[in-house]
Amino acid sequence: GAGVSQSPSNKVTEKGKDVELRCDPISGHTALYWYRQSLGQGLEFLIYFQGNSAPDKSGLPSDRFSAERTGGSVSTLTIQRTQQEDSAVYLCASSPQGGMNTEAFFGQGTRLTVV
Amino acid sequence: DAKTTQPNSMESNEEEPVHLPCNHSTISGTDYIHWYRQLPSQGPEYVIHGLTSNVNNRMASLAIAEDRKSSTLILHRATLRDAAVYYCILRDVDFGNEKLTFGTGTRLTIIP
Repeated sequence: GAGVSQSPSNKVTEKGKDVELRCDPISGHTALYWYRQSLGQGLEFLIYFQGNSAPDKSGLPSDRFSAERTGGSVSTLTIQRTQQEDSAVYLCASSPQGGMNTEAFFGQGTRLTVV
Repeated sequence: DAKTTQPNSMESNEEEPVHLPCNHSTISGTDYIHWYRQLPSQGPEYVIHGLTSNVNNRMASLAIAEDRKSSTLILHRATLRDAAVYYCILRDVDFGNEKLTFGTGTRLTIIP
């Protein structure tokens, strides 16, 4: 596809279960970002990848959150032992070669509901 | 990170121009000014960006003050589809950190 693809689009999980959210960036984009957006709130930065490395993990809210990126392409955000406060839309974005003079392209997000 | 300040909300009539202001008084010389918008139930979408000179594209124009401490996003003829939250963001690289930091944005309402 031409855009950033995220899956699943919706996920309902029970409190305490682990979940994996997937992001397929635009082919060739080296920079990849994860954000989350709680209902009615702004975007909260989680983590940034340049290639396979993550120079900035400062936004991960707790050690239950982790992310990886393999082959400089697909990224997976994992949330362990989910809590109700983890309910939010998780957004992924990619950008060509990073840098200040480029635009970021966002996916449609994964809506996570923890019950 | 350099911060931006935007009004929480604005209203405009359909088919009229809209000027969305953004203050960024602590901007550094290497910060690019980016604008994104988020339509209801959508991910953010890129609108425009610039460094020093005014910029135009098919979606909007960006007017940057001479001292770069403020900028204005201009929608030349608002349509109902332009109703969204508009974010003004400063993008820089700091020790490899290229994150886009979103503020609270301006919620634009278009009145038919």
